[in-house]
Amino acid sequence: TQLLEQSPQFLSIQEGENLTVYCNSSSVFSSLQWYRQEPGEGPVLLVTVVTGGEVKKLKRLTFQFGDARKDSSLHITAAQPGDTGLYLCAARINYQLIWGAGTKLIIKP
Amino acid sequence: DTAVSQTPKYLVTQMGNDKSIKCEQNLGHDTMYWYKQDSKKFLKIMFSYNNKELIINETVPNRFSPKSPDKAHLNLHINSLELGDSAVYFCASSPTGTNEKLFFGSGTQLSVL
Repeated sequence: TQLLEQSPQFLSIQEGENLTVYCNSSSVFSSLQWYRQEPGEGPVLLVTVVTGGEVKKLKRLTFQFGDARKDSSLHITAAQPGDTGLYLCAARINYQLIWGAGTKLIIKP
Repeated sequence: DTAVSQTPKYLVTQMGNDKSIKCEQNLGHDTMYWYKQDSKKFLKIMFSYNNKELIINETVPNRFSPKSPDKAHLNLHINSLELGDSAVYFCASSPTGTNEKLFFGSGTQLSVL
């Protein structure tokens, strides 16, 4: 049973569009991280959220942590081809780091 | 300089062989990890090593053995390779040992024929 569910599994959109991807669980997280992985490379940390309701921005990327600390979302504004990659969430639950299966995002020029 | 480097990048071998993957980090981190990423891109922790303490994931077959000659290195040795071992293996490190801020290597794609 996977503790972290990411949706959608796959998303392909045109450059300039907005999108939101989700990371959900029935468990409460101590913290949650978002990573981006490009083909042939390892995941790279984008952000860590810790407090329920927390919102962090990284240029065109907005990360939100749910009030109950059971879910998170990543919103990208005006997506660019450089945003293409696999977006992974990882949550600390009971001192373990649990990974979602990722959302594969393709931004078409 | 690459923060977490692992070699080789690609490894193609026959069933039954023994192989090793090497990992080095120059970040001064205390904790290193080995992850396996399957064809569906799901990352599974295999081992974590914090200074001299090895934490083993019980679901990993004992054909897999991590070896850490020092804090900056964590190698992975695999005996009697099986078809199901084919995957991408990632080394990672973190500064605090509490699974925060993982820094990953670029992966080793292992193909067992």
